[in-house]
Amino acid sequence: DGGITQSPKYLFRKEGQNVTLSCEQNLNHDAMYWYRQDPGQGLRLIYYSQIVNDFQKGDIAEGYSVSREKKESFPLTVTSAQKNPTAFYLCASSMGRISGNTIYFGEGSWLTVV
Amino acid sequence: KNEVEQSPQNLTAQEGEFITINCSYSVGISALHWLQQHPGGGIVSLFMLSSGKKKHGRLIATINIQEKHSSLHITASHPRDSAVYICAVSGNNDMRFGAGTRLTVKP
Repeated sequence: DGGITQSPKYLFRKEGQNVTLSCEQNLNHDAMYWYRQDPGQGLRLIYYSQIVNDFQKGDIAEGYSVSREKKESFPLTVTSAQKNPTAFYLCASSMGRISGNTIYFGEGSWLTVV
Repeated sequence: KNEVEQSPQNLTAQEGEFITINCSYSVGISALHWLQQHPGGGIVSLFMLSSGKKKHGRLIATINIQEKHSSLHITASHPRDSAVYICAVSGNNDMRFGAGTRLTVKP
């Protein structure tokens, strides 16, 4: 079945470490997104990519990095520069521009700093 | 003030009750989305609408573009409807999310 796969589901990071969250989709979607969810707040956009080898910063990109070397893959690296990384991270994709297209989400990844 | 406001934040209902969740937004949009986040964290798109009304099973979504307001209704609610329901609006290349409404349906 087509969908978005995120891994790992749970991840623990030590202070000063970089960690990478994986996101793979087999929906043949051009656009992919990374969101962060904190308790009591709406999802906030970290980075998005409309096409391979191109990506744009979202509202809260500081301390994060991404790559889009393949259409189906959009990994997110949480760097040591991100001061408060403990959160739930969601990857999403859409066929084209987000206006007028249904958005599909992965199951999410929980990141905890220990 | 957030661009997308939902009410109520939390809602508890008895099985069988009719449920309404409201969403107001303050920006121009191309479409409004209702999403369901289940306890495991994954999110499913329920509706995308830009005008009028859509129905899927026991779920109904309406939007009033002039008033910048949308409602999600659940008829004959069931415990399996317990989830967080999120309203989101999309523009040219952007999506803004409400904080969600946590619905608990008791048997």
